[in-house]
Amino acid sequence: QVQLQESGPGLVKPSQTLSLTCTVSGGSISSGSYYWSWIRQPAGKGLEWIGRIYTSGSTNYNPSLKSRVTISVDTSKNQFSLKLSSVTAADTAVYYCARGGDSSSYGMDVWGQGTTVTVSS
Amino acid sequence: SYVLTQPPSVSVAPGKTARITCGGNNIGSKSVHWYQQKPGQAPVLVIYYDSDRPSGIPERFSGSNSGNTATLTISRVEAGDEADYYCQVWDSSSDVVFGGGTKLTVL
Repeated sequence: QVQLQESGPGLVKPSQTLSLTCTVSGGSISSGSYYWSWIRQPAGKGLEWIGRIYTSGSTNYNPSLKSRVTISVDTSKNQFSLKLSSVTAADTAVYYCARGGDSSSYGMDVWGQGTTVTVSS
Repeated sequence: SYVLTQPPSVSVAPGKTARITCGGNNIGSKSVHWYQQKPGQAPVLVIYYDSDRPSGIPERFSGSNSGNTATLTISRVEAGDEADYYCQVWDSSSDVVFGGGTKLTVL
């Protein structure tokens, strides 16, 4: 079955750009009708949706983060990526990638294990 | 932006029924999804499209959605059900929205 794995630096300096990649295994990122999403969770807090991408390249972002977020997809590598610019300590969180169904009728049924990113000098 | 409101905590004795609510303006017109998250783990989808269960989710988990409230119901609660639960919807203005989460404690 499809599995997701996040990767990237665990420590990012303030004002720099956070970059993470999610690798899809067990299936093609291009098959089926899905979107691919990033979600984050600060320690002890709830889930915050960051944004999503379809394999067509179409994206949607959380309005509160939109000015700093870019999500891209590389179908040849079966990966999608997150870039979050001008980070501060408030961006310290566990970052998850997830697969969602291409309709409001479906939730996010496959999640990565999460990767912790700390913003600190 | 669209807001989903969940109670911070719900407590229930083993074998009893737990109900976790998710409030939102006319949420009955939207599809609601529920996730279970145990400490140190990624969320798991337990209910989608208001009341459907993904394969592998016990029948003890059920959902409903009407008016301004969606409800996740867990019957015959077990110690292993202790977790945080999040509701989620799509919204035309905010796109994907999560509730604040509810900590389920099994007494």
